[in-house]
Amino acid sequence: QKEVEQNSGPLSVPEGAIASLNCTYSDRGSQSFFWYRQYSGKSPELIMSIYSNGDKEDGRFTAQLNKASQYVSLLIRDSQPSDSATYLCAVRGFGMRFGAGTRLTVKP
Amino acid sequence: GAGVSQSPSNKVTEKGKDVELRCDPISGHTALYWYRQSLGQGLEFLIYFQGNSAPDKSGLPSDRFSAERTGGSVSTLTIQRTQQEDSAVYLCASSLTQISNTEAFFGQGTRLTVV
Repeated sequence: QKEVEQNSGPLSVPEGAIASLNCTYSDRGSQSFFWYRQYSGKSPELIMSIYSNGDKEDGRFTAQLNKASQYVSLLIRDSQPSDSATYLCAVRGFGMRFGAGTRLTVKP
Repeated sequence: GAGVSQSPSNKVTEKGKDVELRCDPISGHTALYWYRQSLGQGLEFLIYFQGNSAPDKSGLPSDRFSAERTGGSVSTLTIQRTQQEDSAVYLCASSLTQISNTEAFFGQGTRLTVV
């Protein structure tokens, strides 16, 4: 079992739709959870961090965390073509591990 | 510094040669992480440092790979006797600490090509 797993992509949504990205992790001791966005040829950049169970909203982005289910998700509302990128889930427990990423394409 | 700095940005080396990749983290950041990203793939964890110590080096692919960090700042990733499968982008990230809820910031990476 991989330490951090993300829903396999690629994911394609029409402009204005909601994009849903999912992530599960294996280390129950993990404390901090992050979503990064990576454009092709660029380094990952932080979108959201979440540390407590529940939802955290920032603009069009909502992160959800359920530690009991070892599950993290990211919702992107009103998706825009500029949101087209690879989204990486990161989990900090012992070190910081990343999922393989989900490639999102938002079609105009 | 203002951000995480990695050098060189690009490195082409011949198979069998040794290479050194450098990472200069954000000033004051005690945690430092190395990852490898092959084309179209995710981030493969290599090693992380807390201060000068490396609590987890389990991701280093073989004994040809080593890393050190001195003065709690600059880190060097060394690959000995490079092979073609070592070709990838090597990314470094730093965060304020490993144990608190602080995000990691990435450098621009070193693209290594072994020919």
